[in-house]
Amino acid sequence: DSGVTQTPKHLITATGQRVTLRCSPRSGDLSVYWYQQSLDQGLQFLIQYYNGEERAKGNILERFSAQQFPDLHSELNLSSLELGDSALYFCASTPGATSSYEQYFGPGTRLTVT
Amino acid sequence: GDSVTQMEGPVTLSEEAFLTINCTYTATGYPSLFWYVQYPGEGLQLLLKATKADDKGSNKGFEATYRKETTSFHLEKGSVQVSDSAVYFCALSSSNTGNQFYFGTGTSLTVIP
Repeated sequence: DSGVTQTPKHLITATGQRVTLRCSPRSGDLSVYWYQQSLDQGLQFLIQYYNGEERAKGNILERFSAQQFPDLHSELNLSSLELGDSALYFCASTPGATSSYEQYFGPGTRLTVT
Repeated sequence: GDSVTQMEGPVTLSEEAFLTINCTYTATGYPSLFWYVQYPGEGLQLLLKATKADDKGSNKGFEATYRKETTSFHLEKGSVQVSDSAVYFCALSSSNTGNQFYFGTGTSLTVIP
């Protein structure tokens, strides 16, 4: 158990809908990273937040957004969903902001768009 | 831009065989290099890391050496076990790229008794 929790575990929704994925980092970790894992794209970095502020941005679509709250949990919002958004979404947390820290991954949320 | 190229899988080995999974990278500056492992149905876990050239990361019998001259970070294990069956990801990160992590495509390993 990494100490990172993600909810829900599974999500099935229809095209055009909007969903919110939630991540709680390990106790004491200030940084949260979001990733998308799909069969054809592999593991893609989406975005990083550190202590409530956006720190780094990867291949995140404009239809996707994220935020980190004062209690340090983070939410990833996916809107106008398309079939191609079906994937596993992972979050990871680290104590600090820099990239040399080990990332602790949550168990993931499997999103299926029908 | 920064990237990681990883050996294609899947790889199937017999128990106690020697394992090598190749990983090469392209990066500006001096990245940190990582190997992560993903067991079925789970998230990724750090296996080992190296933060500067010539560093050797090691854990659970796995090891990898950060080779700047060949831009490589190959994963090796002398004797694999059935419990090593998983997907292995090579990754890099660098403050030069705004702390982004770049992962390889993953190599699936199956160890048969």
